[in-house]
Amino acid sequence: DGGITQSPKYLFRKEGQNVTLSCEQNLNHDAMYWYRQDPGQGLRLIYYSQIVNDFQKGDIAEGYSVSREKKESFPLTVTSAQKNPTAFYLCASSRRRLAVNTDTQYFGPGTRLTVL
Amino acid sequence: AQTVTQSQPEMSVQEAETVTLSCTYDTSENNYYLFWYKQPPSRQMILVIRQEAYKQQNATENRFSVNFQKAAKSFSLKISDSQLGDTAMYFCAFMTSTSGTYKYIFGTGTRLKVLA
Repeated sequence: DGGITQSPKYLFRKEGQNVTLSCEQNLNHDAMYWYRQDPGQGLRLIYYSQIVNDFQKGDIAEGYSVSREKKESFPLTVTSAQKNPTAFYLCASSRRRLAVNTDTQYFGPGTRLTVL
Repeated sequence: AQTVTQSQPEMSVQEAETVTLSCTYDTSENNYYLFWYKQPPSRQMILVIRQEAYKQQNATENRFSVNFQKAAKSFSLKISDSQLGDTAMYFCAFMTSTSGTYKYIFGTGTRLKVLA
């Protein structure tokens, strides 16, 4: 089945450590996105990538880094520079090109990151 | 700046009744897309319905329909014959493309509880 997978589902990190969240899709989508969700708030865009080997900062990129070496994969690294990393992280993808039904974002199941 | 506003943080409805969730947005763009996503307790984001701004006809998906008022920049979601499984957070989202860059903006969500 086609879809988006994120791993792990729950992640614990000690302060000062970097940690990488995985996001893989087999939908053949061009674009991929990372969002952060905090309680009582909507989704905030961290980074997005429209095509392989290219990515742009979203609204809250500080303390995060990404790579897009393969079309299927868009890992997110939460660095020690991120002041308040405890949150729920959602990965999404879309086909990028504006045509019927290609603009819709599809989401993975999310990763809950907790800093101890 | 483009914004999406959901003014109802929480709502409740009796099973089998109808409920309307409101969403307003602000943009100077003429071509854009609007979405409603559902996030149940599992936290998986699920697309409920989408609307292209250039279409005057309101989108409908089974029990879900929208009232799209482009001039008023309003995009409300109506859920008919509410079911217990409709209990979830509902997010309104706006997508536009400028110079090949796709941007999605989410509202802060409305928590809907369907009562037995």
